[in-house]
Amino acid sequence: GNSVTQMEGPVTLSEEAFLTINCTYTATGYPSLFWYVQYPGEGLQLLLKATKADDKGSNKGFEATYRKETTSFHLEKGSVQVSDSAVYFCALRSGGYNKLIFGAGTRLAVHP
Amino acid sequence: DAGVIQSPRHEVTEMGQEVTLRCKPISGHNSLFWYRQTMMRGLELLIYFNNNVPIDDSGMPEDRFSAKMPNASFSTLKIQPSEPRDSAVYFCASSLAATRGLGVNTEAFFGQGTRLTVV
Repeated sequence: GNSVTQMEGPVTLSEEAFLTINCTYTATGYPSLFWYVQYPGEGLQLLLKATKADDKGSNKGFEATYRKETTSFHLEKGSVQVSDSAVYFCALRSGGYNKLIFGAGTRLAVHP
Repeated sequence: DAGVIQSPRHEVTEMGQEVTLRCKPISGHNSLFWYRQTMMRGLELLIYFNNNVPIDDSGMPEDRFSAKMPNASFSTLKIQPSEPRDSAVYFCASSLAATRGLGVNTEAFFGQGTRLTVV
């Protein structure tokens, strides 16, 4: 079945460091891929998405490129801020009934 | 639109009691998801509705859990009887459902969640 695998956290970085959170997936067909972010005490919010191979999603300085050859959708940011501290979820949507499946989440902590 | 609205935001109940969580999806959305989030298991999909019909309830943990969607603007998740291990944050999310074979690029919008504590 379809699945999403994310790197385990927590990821701890200093402000202005480069961020990469790895995400790989298994899916039939041509899934759409998403990154969601969850700030403390809140629900999940869409951060970015990509709907076909080689698409790059971007938002708030974050980027991820849909790589079909490596079945990956790694999240990157060139310079993180303290306010980026949150839990990040990779997700995919695929199949005839468009089930939305999430990875386990990666906690990011950014220190001044 | 006010977004996905869940109620209550917090619920504390005693073991054995019935608990009902409510969700109002975004108007016009025809897919609705219920998720449960815990530290141990992360984010688990419990059940998924498409056009008010349950499509996949394989994530519902056991018969104590039931979900309904009587119309396009309301869904409930009921736990009867509740147990301490049901303590978690329960999220509802809604989206447009792509027609089969015509694309799956619609994102889901989440509510703020209901934090359930069963003592």
